Amino acid sequence: NAGVTQTPKFRVLKTGQSMTLLCAQDMNHEYMYWYRQDPGMGLRLIHYSVGEGTTAKGEVPDGYNVSRLKKQNFLLGLESAAPSQTSVYFCASSTYRDSYGYTFGSGTRLTVV
Amino acid sequence: DAKTTQPTSMDCAEGRAANLPCNHSTISGNEYVYWYRQIHSQGPQYIIHGLKNNETNEMASLIITEDRKSSTLILPHATLRDTAVYYCIVRVFTGGFKTIFGAGTRLFVKA
Repeated sequence: NAGVTQTPKFRVLKTGQSMTLLCAQDMNHEYMYWYRQDPGMGLRLIHYSVGEGTTAKGEVPDGYNVSRLKKQNFLLGLESAAPSQTSVYFCASSTYRDSYGYTFGSGTRLTVV
Repeated sequence: DAKTTQPTSMDCAEGRAANLPCNHSTISGNEYVYWYRQIHSQGPQYIIHGLKNNETNEMASLIITEDRKSSTLILPHATLRDTAVYYCIVRVFTGGFKTIFGAGTRLFVKA
């Protein structure tokens, strides 16, 4: 099993450009999450989804949009990238009962110049 | 969800037990204690969780005090590969979207 796969792994954007980060999980998990992590800091929740077709805002949702059209995929979009969005983005998934905690992807390192 | 307090950093000698403390004095009766770790640049990894009883798995042991206001994660025989940031989190069991990661404890395992 691949677990949680994030693409791309690295990306450099110019201010104002848009992009979509893809997260795919093959564990049939109900819940999926997007976090960002800035240098020396913990993870902050951007958006999450409790099921196909549903999304909700986390701690720091401004400047991001998400979609979950299929249970296995959770997309994070930046419509107009800003330097403040330079960060490492982690996707995670879990079951409803969360018996084994979250499974995280390996991250996407995004730089906005 | 209850807030947690962890030391910023700790050292441990290779082969010795690493004991990582966590204070969660405002924990509610239905909140569990979870531990994750993050090895440099990787995604966090789930370690263990518990409610009130002590728990053990192949990675670690979790000791929760009787009043549940604090807990300790124990890595019985630390190796260099255990050098990581360890996060203590308390939250309700279901509704995983409430997981808030703080700054954690940076554990340095030294040869």
